[in-house]
Amino acid sequence: AQSVAQPEDQVNVAEGNPLTVKCTYSVSGNPYLFWYVQYPNRGLQFLLKYITGDNLVKGSYGFEAEFNKSQTSFHLKKPSALVSDSALYFCAVRDRAMKSSGDKLTFGTGTRLAVRP
Amino acid sequence: GAVVSQHPSWVICKSGTSVKIECRSLDFQATTMFWYRQFPKQSLMLMATSNEGSKATYEQGVEKDKFLINHASLTLSTLTVTSAHPEDSSFYICSALSRGSAEAFFGQGTRLTVV
Repeated sequence: AQSVAQPEDQVNVAEGNPLTVKCTYSVSGNPYLFWYVQYPNRGLQFLLKYITGDNLVKGSYGFEAEFNKSQTSFHLKKPSALVSDSALYFCAVRDRAMKSSGDKLTFGTGTRLAVRP
Repeated sequence: GAVVSQHPSWVICKSGTSVKIECRSLDFQATTMFWYRQFPKQSLMLMATSNEGSKATYEQGVEKDKFLINHASLTLSTLTVTSAHPEDSSFYICSALSRGSAEAFFGQGTRLTVV
């Protein structure tokens, strides 16, 4: 079975400071990894994904994430946070080859990012 | 990126009535669509997976007779909440995946309130 852990319910950071939102995953095979952001009463907006290739993935709005296979992590980072980054962030994983899970995405529980001015 | 349109964005209905939510892939063929439910301040819970032209596969604990899913074409899936009750009030989100693609695209979500 595949799973995702986001150990922090909330991350607080001052505007202009770097931010990190943590994510670790578990799959039987090789993962597809995703980060999504959700604003109140809205669907999920795609931020970035890791499929293959470079471990450092750059995405929308200045976000990036690093795939670390040995630590099974895919932490989301941004060098300088903005107040407008305040939202709910979800990490998700899909096992490339796991037939039993099909094409299902498994989501973490979400991390609320609060950026103070 | 690809666009998935979900309609309506919000709906209020009376207890006992049925509500249909549509999910359309606008610029790609969605061989698989997923329906999620999200409670306040919680993660997305997968309700069911539907492949075009076949019956949906429901997750454990999801009532298939209550949440009817139809995926009759490669661009449209519908979720019908039958005989809705206040406890069905939630945020419902669909996503669509094309064959061989790594990434699923999400609709904007539907806020259902049953009064």
